[in-house]
Amino acid sequence: QKEVEQNSGPLSVPEGAIASLNCTYSDRGSQSFFWYRQYSGKSPELIMFIYSNGDKEDGRFTAQLNKASQYVSLLIRDSQPSDSATYLCAVNGGLTGGGNKLTFGTGTQLKVEL
Amino acid sequence: ETGVTQTPRHLVMGMTNKKSLKCEQHLGHNAMYWYKQSAKKPLELMFVYSLEERVENNSVPSRFSPECPNSSHLFLHLHTLQPEDSALYLCASSQGLRAHNEQFFGPGTRLTVL
Repeated sequence: QKEVEQNSGPLSVPEGAIASLNCTYSDRGSQSFFWYRQYSGKSPELIMFIYSNGDKEDGRFTAQLNKASQYVSLLIRDSQPSDSATYLCAVNGGLTGGGNKLTFGTGTQLKVEL
Repeated sequence: ETGVTQTPRHLVMGMTNKKSLKCEQHLGHNAMYWYKQSAKKPLELMFVYSLEERVENNSVPSRFSPECPNSSHLFLHLHTLQPEDSALYLCASSQGLRAHNEQFFGPGTRLTVL
């Protein structure tokens, strides 16, 4: 069983729509959850993190965490072509990710179409 | 220089060569990491250093040898690599090793082993 699972996509959304990216994790003791954006050929860039159940908003981005369901999501409102990238979910803490050992998913490719 | 820098950005080497990757962080952090990113695979943590002391060695073959002379610099020495070692090697840093400490990535070194 993969520790962090993401749908590889591609997820295609029209410009201006809401993009919804999902991630599930297996380690119930996980404490911290991060979303990174990675453009093709570039390194991951941290865009959001969340520690507590519920929603966290930052500009056009909203992270949602449900620890009971072991589920974390990222919503991107008013999607722009510049949002087209691969979005990596990373999980920290817990049994397999103790301390600051991040466990990454394989990423979801997002395409925002004109 | 700002953030996390890595040199070289691209490296082509033969299986009998010895080379080194360099990482420098300008963020005042005290923990540094090496990750490997292969196509279609999640980022894999290789090594973690905290205050120049190695705290994690994630079952990495001995042909990869890390060195952390101080909290700002991290090296990855390479020798007798295999073609399957071709990947993007990413350095990251964080302030501390707690699960909530965000990790910031450098631009990576694209390594090709012939």
